[in-house]
Amino acid sequence: DADVTQTPRNRITKTGKRIMLECSQTKGHDRMYWYRQDPGLGLRLIYYSFDVKDINKGEISDGYSVSRQAQAKFSLSLESAIPNQTALYFCATSPGGSNQPQHFGDGTRLSIL
Amino acid sequence: GIQVEQSPPDLILQEGANSTLRCNFSDSVNNLQWFHQNPWGQLINLFYIPSGTKQNGRLSATTVATERYSLLYISSSQTTDSGVYFCAVRRYGGSQGNLIFGKGTKLSVKP
Repeated sequence: DADVTQTPRNRITKTGKRIMLECSQTKGHDRMYWYRQDPGLGLRLIYYSFDVKDINKGEISDGYSVSRQAQAKFSLSLESAIPNQTALYFCATSPGGSNQPQHFGDGTRLSIL
Repeated sequence: GIQVEQSPPDLILQEGANSTLRCNFSDSVNNLQWFHQNPWGQLINLFYIPSGTKQNGRLSATTVATERYSLLYISSSQTTDSGVYFCAVRRYGGSQGNLIFGKGTKLSVKP
């Protein structure tokens, strides 16, 4: 979805480095999510935010932190990257309400050597 | 938590053939989406279909929420349909609001 922009699209880095992945949206949605995809699997939730002051851990939050700088921006940080965090990372947004579709960015392919 | 099972895991078709992909889920849902992940890794939204039937060109989907399954139909398949198809659901009453993904069906369409 072109209204959900992830940067960078690809990143190669070394073990121990701090990395930030950024997500911005122009859809005006309140809710934002970070997911991780490992090869051969579906996506799993890392963190989610229902508004700027509401941030919550998901299924696999260990080793990650997030920041919701504004309604439109949600960043994911790896404080000290390790090789098993090599994965495809997706940001998603949705309007408020429990039965709204989620819209995904194009993903960030992260490789940690 | 809710379980999402997709079948078949792999599917090889000749161009022009039709196919049906299935998604079973273990609990009541208020959101069900079908996605196509292309070879570049992008997730393409196909359908938002917590119940009922929808059609978009050669693709259609049906969700029978009371029986906890959804079907994705692809007609007259093309090589560009290749990729992985994911079903994702949100459990009714779930607090996190996130989607739970199945493991996907990998589709290969041969010319």
